[in-house]
Amino acid sequence: GAVVSQHPSWVICKSGTSVKIECRSLDFQATTMFWYRQFPKQSLMLMATSNEGSKATYEQGVEKDKFLINHASLTLSTLTVTSAHPEDSSFYICSARGSAGEIYNEQFFGPGTRLTVL
Amino acid sequence: QKEVEQNSGPLSVPEGAIASLNCTYSDRGSQSFFWYRQYSGKSPELIMSIYSNGDKEDGRFTAQLNKASQYVSLLIRDSQPSDSATYLCARKSGNQFYFGTGTSLTVIP
Repeated sequence: GAVVSQHPSWVICKSGTSVKIECRSLDFQATTMFWYRQFPKQSLMLMATSNEGSKATYEQGVEKDKFLINHASLTLSTLTVTSAHPEDSSFYICSARGSAGEIYNEQFFGPGTRLTVL
Repeated sequence: QKEVEQNSGPLSVPEGAIASLNCTYSDRGSQSFFWYRQYSGKSPELIMSIYSNGDKEDGRFTAQLNKASQYVSLLIRDSQPSDSATYLCARKSGNQFYFGTGTSLTVIP
């Protein structure tokens, strides 16, 4: 149990375009989802935390108008990178936490989306 | 102030040996602790969670938690080359999760 999927697994786009990444909890209801970014050989960087039906809470230094997060249902959160630029190229990973029991205490990660902006 | 401290390594052990990974933290209010494994180019995978003082064993993995000394460790017995990865320590305090920067482990055949 506690499976999280992401789509797409990789995407290449032109500079200036927007890219949407989906994160789904497949077998549990995710009351909270987290979005991370990871550059090569660096640690995970939390970008934002989203609770279903609420606005996301962004970490310091993360532009909320550039990284739009929507958590409209208990199984789906989306991250849209608007007007992407080459410096946005990174590995974007979502994770989810459930509402009770072990899945409340633990984070389960999706497989990640590798974004390359040309 | 870092929330979770890990030695970045790299840590190298020969195949069959015990790999010992350590993590310290500063917030005594932390309730839950986790070890994740991350292979290069992949996302983290939860391998152990521990909530109370003492040892927790799962197969070749043993997590040890000492809240008084504020450290949590992961022992990997009979290390295999497939264990070569970066291991992330994390703690949960309230609704927040805090990750260490990870320790790179290489198991040498």
